[in-house]
Amino acid sequence: SQKIEQNSEALNIQEGKTATLTCNYTNYSPAYLQWYRQDPGRGPVFLLLIRENEKEKRKERLKVTFDTTLKQSLFHITASQPADSATYLCALVLNSGYSTLTFGKGTMLLVSP
Amino acid sequence: GAVVSQHPSRVICKSGTSVKIECRSLDFQATTMFWYRQFPKQSLMLMATSNEGSKATYEQGVEKDKFLINHASLTLSTLTVTSAHPEDSSFYICSAGLAAPQGEQYFGPGTRLTVT
Repeated sequence: SQKIEQNSEALNIQEGKTATLTCNYTNYSPAYLQWYRQDPGRGPVFLLLIRENEKEKRKERLKVTFDTTLKQSLFHITASQPADSATYLCALVLNSGYSTLTFGKGTMLLVSP
Repeated sequence: GAVVSQHPSRVICKSGTSVKIECRSLDFQATTMFWYRQFPKQSLMLMATSNEGSKATYEQGVEKDKFLINHASLTLSTLTVTSAHPEDSSFYICSAGLAAPQGEQYFGPGTRLTVT
């Protein structure tokens, strides 16, 4: 069956450290993978997109890797801040869909001062 | 840029009544809008894809007669939950996609629907 798995347990880290979140998928062949941030009671906010032929993408303190062999994407936030505390969602853009996103459940990140 | 608004942000209605939720793209034209539903601690589930001027495409398991979608203009899509029941209580979120198929989606702030 098709699955997108993100750690269901919250990730607790200290301010200044690097947070690493994982997104694994099975039985999908995504053309693109996207990461979103969602705050409680709010809609998701787009962060980064990475294509299947890209290994790594960076934007300011954010870095995303995409390994289509392992079927895994890692999302890193360097020099984390309490304001980075939120739920982070990965979403797959499948070959067969026009802009259709399939979301994971998300991982909550808690950055303590 | 790329701001999407939703109205209302919260609504409480009685079982059996209908509720309309509006989704607007404020500073761009969206030929395609998407409607999602999210239950607590669950992922966003795509309900339907709404194309301006044509019928919406519903995901499997979503009743099109219960969740009426209208996309009358390039900046407005509406979702009407008809004959709402308590199990329809959820967080409904719309999004608008930019032109490229791989483009990111811009989400509205969501509407919390509670059916009593």
